[in-house]
Amino acid sequence: QSVLTQPPSASGTPGQRVTISCSGSSSNIGSNYVYWYQQLPGTAPKLLIYRNNQRPSGVPDRFSGSKSGTSASLAISGLRSEDEADYYCAAWDDSLSGEVFGGGTKLTVL
Amino acid sequence: EVQLVESGGGLVQPGGSLRLSCAASGFTFSSYWMHWVRQAPGKGLVWVSRINSDGSSTSYADSVKGRFTISRDNAKNTLYLQMNSLRAEDTAVYYCARASYSYGSDYWGQGTLVTVSS
Repeated sequence: QSVLTQPPSASGTPGQRVTISCSGSSSNIGSNYVYWYQQLPGTAPKLLIYRNNQRPSGVPDRFSGSKSGTSASLAISGLRSEDEADYYCAAWDDSLSGEVFGGGTKLTVL
Repeated sequence: EVQLVESGGGLVQPGGSLRLSCAASGFTFSSYWMHWVRQAPGKGLVWVSRINSDGSSTSYADSVKGRFTISRDNAKNTLYLQMNSLRAEDTAVYYCARASYSYGSDYWGQGTLVTVSS
């Protein structure tokens, strides 16, 4: 059972906007930055969002992150077939002194 | 270019030991915290351990505490994970990742597979 809670699946059609939620607690999301990772099939995870809503260079602005209290969300607009992947939220956890992950959300582009 | 290359995975019997290595290049290794993260077949990412930049501070997930030891050699730009008393549930791809509080785990290796089975 993961420390952070995500829906196991999400879907959308090309061009649509989808959001993925992530719920935590005061020891992780509530008091620390949230990160989002994208994992394409058969590859290593890739950083998508850092400091709640910042994009590393090279990540399209179709991807955006937000945080409120002990929850966070990732939004993907203008959905494309290449966005089909697993998405993980994460945050530092003060109790563990480590990074905790959500269980992952499998995004399907219909 | 930042590169992280894991090695040392393989098949090991329950109760056995294995040491993973992660060779880093393309950045000042001694300036960064490092993480080990694992992913069991068909499952999600699970944080395993982290070490600070000079190796003086470490932390572990409860599931590996007392069995796994993270360490680093900044002269060799290499991160290690010593895994003892291995169990079937430790079977996973193990990733090393460069870490910081601001950026999270911003670079990942390709992973090395550890299989614990008799």
